[in-house]
Order: sequence, then structure tokens, then C-alpha cells
Amino acid sequence: GNSVTQMEGPVTLSEEAFLTINCTYTATGYPSLFWYVQYPGEGLQLLLKATKADDKGSNKGFEATYRKETTSFHLEKGSVQVSDSAVYFCALLTSGTYKYIFGTGTRLKVLA
Amino acid sequence: ETGVTQSPTHLIKTRGQQVTLRCSSQSGHNTVSWYQQALGQGPQFIFQYYREEENGRGNFPPRFSGLQFPNYSSELNVNALELDDSALYLCASSFSGVNTGELFFGEGSRLTVL
Repeated sequence: GNSVTQMEGPVTLSEEAFLTINCTYTATGYPSLFWYVQYPGEGLQLLLKATKADDKGSNKGFEATYRKETTSFHLEKGSVQVSDSAVYFCALLTSGTYKYIFGTGTRLKVLA
Repeated sequence: ETGVTQSPTHLIKTRGQQVTLRCSSQSGHNTVSWYQQALGQGPQFIFQYYREEENGRGNFPPRFSGLQFPNYSSELNVNALELDDSALYLCASSFSGVNTGELFFGEGSRLTVL
């Protein structure tokens, strides 16, 4: 079946450090891929998405590229801020459905 | 634009009891999905409602049921509660006519079963 695997957290970084959170997936067909973020005390919100191979999603300095050959969608940011501290979820959505498959989430803590 | 709101935010029940969780979808959205997020896990799809009908269901037993009302708000009902039902229950709305794939989540209802 379809699944998403994320690197385990927590990830602790100093402000302005480079961030990578790994995400790989297993899916039939050509899913859309997403990163959602959950800030403390808030609901999940969409960070970025990519709908086909080689697409790059970007938002708020975060980027992720849909790599079909490696079935990956790693999240990167060149310089993290304390305000980026949150839980990040990688997710996929197969065509024709609204059933998201989420990874287990990666908690990021950025220290000043 | 009003976002997705859920109630109650926290509740405690005992095994065997029944619970109803409520969700108001974002203005203009006609589809509601429910997810269960156990501690330390990602959200798991329970079911989705569109036009007051269930049109998709995950691997949850029949004691998990739902409703969608004409104003697109929704309820999640869980009967015969078990300890493993303790989780954060998330409601998400979307508009089926726009295939962006984006879901808009509420902050969730945290259920503790003792």
C-alpha cells in the first residue's frame, strides 16, 4: 500500500543553520506530495506541494523537489529561524482521492 | 474568511462511553475529512463527507461514524470507546471543485479515554 517515511526527530539546530528533513514515499501511480507544518497550539497548515515529477515546491524559504527516481521529497531551508520550530509532516495524495497518507512527523527545534 | 473550527478542544471519557466531536468547515468548502492523530504519529484518515454522504473511509471500525449537515458542518461519533481511541481528532475541509489537493485543518479535539 501507499506509505510515507520521514526521518525521526527531534531535530535541533542553531539559528541560521541549514535544514534537511528527509521524506521518501511508496505509492502506485503518480501522487501529489506535500509538506504540512504544525506550529505549537495550531492546526496543520500547508507549507508547500508538488504535483508531478521534478516539480519544486517552495514557500517561506523552504523548498522540496519531487524526485520520482528516488521516490523522495526532502524538505530544505538554507537558514532556519527560531520561528520555524514546529512539527513537519510529509504527505502524499493519490490521484482521484482526498485520502492523505501522512508520515509520522519530524519535530524541529531551533535555538537562538 | 472563517477557518475550520472544532469543539470541544479537550475532553475526557471512560471506556465504553460514546463521544461526539463537531466541526465547522471553512467558508465556501463543501467537503470535510476527519483524521485521528495518536501521540507521536501522523494523522490517519478516518473518513470524508461530501454532500452529506460518506465518500471515502480509512481502516476504522464501524463504531466510528459521522454526519455532514446541509451547511457542510460535520460530526464525528465514536461508540464504545476504547483506551486506544485516545488521540487528537482533526477535521479538515476542502472544496471539491478546486483540485488543489489542499486541506484546511482545525486545531483538533483532544480525546482522552480512561
